[in-house]
Amino acid sequence: GDSVTQMEGPVTLSEEAFLTINCTYTATGYPSLFWYVQYPGEGLQLLLKATKADDKGSNKGFEATYRKETTSFHLEKGSVQVSDSAVYFCALSVTPGSARQLTFGSGTQLTVLP
Amino acid sequence: NAGVTQTPKFRVLKTGQSMTLLCAQDMNHEYMYWYRQDPGMGLRLIHYSVGEGTTAKGEVPDGYNVSRLKKQNFLLGLESAAPSQTSVYFCASSYSGLYLGNTIYFGEGSWLTVV
Repeated sequence: GDSVTQMEGPVTLSEEAFLTINCTYTATGYPSLFWYVQYPGEGLQLLLKATKADDKGSNKGFEATYRKETTSFHLEKGSVQVSDSAVYFCALSVTPGSARQLTFGSGTQLTVLP
Repeated sequence: NAGVTQTPKFRVLKTGQSMTLLCAQDMNHEYMYWYRQDPGMGLRLIHYSVGEGTTAKGEVPDGYNVSRLKKQNFLLGLESAAPSQTSVYFCASSYSGLYLGNTIYFGEGSWLTVV
């Protein structure tokens, strides 16, 4: 079946540090890949996505590149801020496949210290 | 911009009690979903709906029922709450099915504790 494996947290960084959160996947069809962010006390928000191999999704300084050869979609940011403290979820949907299924990783808690 | 709204936000139940979580979306989306979030497990799909009057089981449907009588509303019911149902529940909606990168929109969550 489809699955997403995320780097386990928690991750603690100092402000302006470089961030990488690893995400690898297995998929039975052609995946679209997503990163969602969940700030404290809030629901999940789409951070970025990529729908085909070698696409790069980017938003708010975060980037992730869809690597088909390594089945990966690692999240990166060059200089994190305290306001980036949140839980980050990698997720995938598959085409063809069940139109209702979005498979999530277990989430990575990021804390950025001033 | 309301988006997806869930009520209530917090609730404490005793074992065996029943309750209903309400989800409302104002984006005219066809698809709606209920997920639960547990520590270290990401989100798991409970039930979903592909349109008004339809419902279907997701990954973890046992102990829950749902109804979609109106396109904008999706109700999640717990008939006899159990401590294992202590979780954070998220409603979500999407314009169409979750393929080709279509975006899903989440509510802010409902924290449920069963004692």
